[in-house]
Amino acid sequence: DGGITQSPKYLFRKEGQNVTLSCEQNLNHDAMYWYRQDPGQGLRLIYYSQIVNDFQKGDIAEGYSVSREKKESFPLTVTSAQKNPTAFYLCASSQGREETQYFGPGTRLLVL
Amino acid sequence: GESVGLHLPTLSVQEGDNSIINCAYSNSASDYFIWYKQESGKGPQFIIDIRSNMDKRQGQRVTVLLNKTVKHLSLQIAATQPGDSAVYFCAESYTGGFKTIFGAGTRLFVKA
Repeated sequence: DGGITQSPKYLFRKEGQNVTLSCEQNLNHDAMYWYRQDPGQGLRLIYYSQIVNDFQKGDIAEGYSVSREKKESFPLTVTSAQKNPTAFYLCASSQGREETQYFGPGTRLLVL
Repeated sequence: GESVGLHLPTLSVQEGDNSIINCAYSNSASDYFIWYKQESGKGPQFIIDIRSNMDKRQGQRVTVLLNKTVKHLSLQIAATQPGDSAVYFCAESYTGGFKTIFGAGTRLFVKA
């Protein structure tokens, strides 16, 4: 079964805590992306990676960090510097930068 | 696509009727367009795409129309079913660009 998986489905963060969201794909896609979705708004790009060991900031990278050590994995860390982290986080991948993006099921992050 | 704040436009249709969902895109240089369907609490699902060298493309029960003159995209769903209830949003990108722009979406309600 090919696809994109995200875990966990729900994540709770305490004040001052860093949390990491997992994203794995077995589609052999080169490019991977992280988006944030808030109610009633379009997806906003946090970070993207076009190739292993390389990633670029998107529109709202402050308070987030990523790594791309393996082609199939692109974890996102929400740091304590992100003051409003409550949102639905979506990971996507595409064959190339200009190709169709396919999405994972999402992780909902809530602050305790 | 543009953010419409907390309240998405809503379209309510009777089961069996045809649905038309509209999208105004923002960049006249955009040459690739995608429609996604997103059910509550899930990741977006690819429906259909179209490139700017076409003005119409058909899939299974869905048709996308592109009017580049007025920067307008529409998604037509034939014989709408209760399972079609979701948020639908369009996305645009252009050759050589580094990111895809996503609209906030339209919520489709299908009445049985």
